[in-house]
Amino acid sequence: GESVGLHLPTLSVQEGDNSIINCAYSNSASDYFIWYKQESGKGPQFIIDIRSNMDKRQGQRVTVLLNKTVKHLSLQIAATQPGDSAVYFCAENSASNTGKLIFGQGTTLQVKP
Amino acid sequence: KAGVTQTPRYLIKTRGQQVTLSCSPISGHRSVSWYQQTPGQGLQFLFEYFSETQRNKGNFPGRFSGRQFSNSRSEMNVSTLELGDSALYLCASREQTNTGELFFGEGSRLTVL
Repeated sequence: GESVGLHLPTLSVQEGDNSIINCAYSNSASDYFIWYKQESGKGPQFIIDIRSNMDKRQGQRVTVLLNKTVKHLSLQIAATQPGDSAVYFCAENSASNTGKLIFGQGTTLQVKP
Repeated sequence: KAGVTQTPRYLIKTRGQQVTLSCSPISGHRSVSWYQQTPGQGLQFLFEYFSETQRNKGNFPGRFSGRQFSNSRSEMNVSTLELGDSALYLCASREQTNTGELFFGEGSRLTVL
């Protein structure tokens, strides 16, 4: 069946370091991937997305890498800040014109001052 | 623009009761999706509505239902509540374009006793 998973449940980094959060997906037909950030008591917040015809996409302090050969997705956060502490979810959308996302279990990012 | 608004934010029900949750999407967004978030199962897709029609449905029992009104506002209903229905119910809206980006509300926290 379809599933999107994350490699590590918790990632602890020092403030100022770079963070890398990984995700594995199983549906090779998926053509669109999204990273969300969820802070305590809030709904998921869109970070960055990437389509399957791309390998890399950059945003402000964030980069998403897609490796379709091994069905792997990663989120890189540069110069991690305390405000980056949250749960990060990867999600796949096998059809970009629907609102149905398949979410991974999430990785908790803890930023140490 | 105002974000996605969900009401109520918190509610407590007892087993066997029913509950109705409301969602107002971002102005101009015509698609509304609902998700259930629990510690054990993570974020799971419930259903999606567009132009008052259900477009997609997740793997939930018939006790879970929803509807969308002509102004794009949406409601979801859970009948005959069970303890396992305790969760954060998230609503997300999107423009009906090729983008899959969903904008989430803060959620309605349902506790079933």
